[in-house]
Amino acid sequence: GENVEQHPSTLSVQEGDSAVIKCTYSDSASNYFPWYKQELGKGPQLIIDIRSNVGEKKDQRIAVTLNKTAKHFSLHITETQPEDSAVYFCAASDTGNQFYFGTGTSLTVIP
Amino acid sequence: KAGVTQTPRYLIKTRGQQVTLSCSPISGHRSVSWYQQTPGQGLQFLFEYFSETQRNKGNFPGRFSGRQFSNSRSEMNVSTLELGDSALYLCASSQGGTSTDTQYFGPGTRLTVL
Repeated sequence: GENVEQHPSTLSVQEGDSAVIKCTYSDSASNYFPWYKQELGKGPQLIIDIRSNVGEKKDQRIAVTLNKTAKHFSLHITETQPEDSAVYFCAASDTGNQFYFGTGTSLTVIP
Repeated sequence: KAGVTQTPRYLIKTRGQQVTLSCSPISGHRSVSWYQQTPGQGLQFLFEYFSETQRNKGNFPGRFSGRQFSNSRSEMNVSTLELGDSALYLCASSQGGTSTDTQYFGPGTRLTVL
């Protein structure tokens, strides 16, 4: 089955700086890659996703890039704000409709 | 549209008991997936239901089971609870359950086994 690795596990940045989280996957058949943000006491919320026919997608301060050849995808958050502090998960979905999640990155934005 | 709802939000049980958790998907969504989230193991896939049929199953013992009703609402049951079953149980719904459908998560049910 698919194996998703996520790095780093913790990340601290100064407010206004950029944050980058990277994930790799093993199954070349995976074709959908969502990113979720989970705040304390809440369920994961989708923040951006990318499908395998696209190399990059941007939504305001958030962007995701996908390199299918290298089998990795990354989340980029620019101009970070304290409210961006949360745990972020990447995931990959294979053709069997099953989602595989990374182990999460705890992001802290220091005011 | 209302989001995914899960009940109850918190549960405390003792070892050996059984528990039933409920999930109501977003209106129009036919696929419901269940996940167990623990600090050590992250998000682990339990099973997925689509149109009342279990379509995928993760690597969990048979004590974990589920079902889906004709209105797409889903329940999961854990029998003979163990201390290690303490976790946040999340359900997620998607429209057609294809590999590129977005999954939307509920707030989860926090299960504590004493």
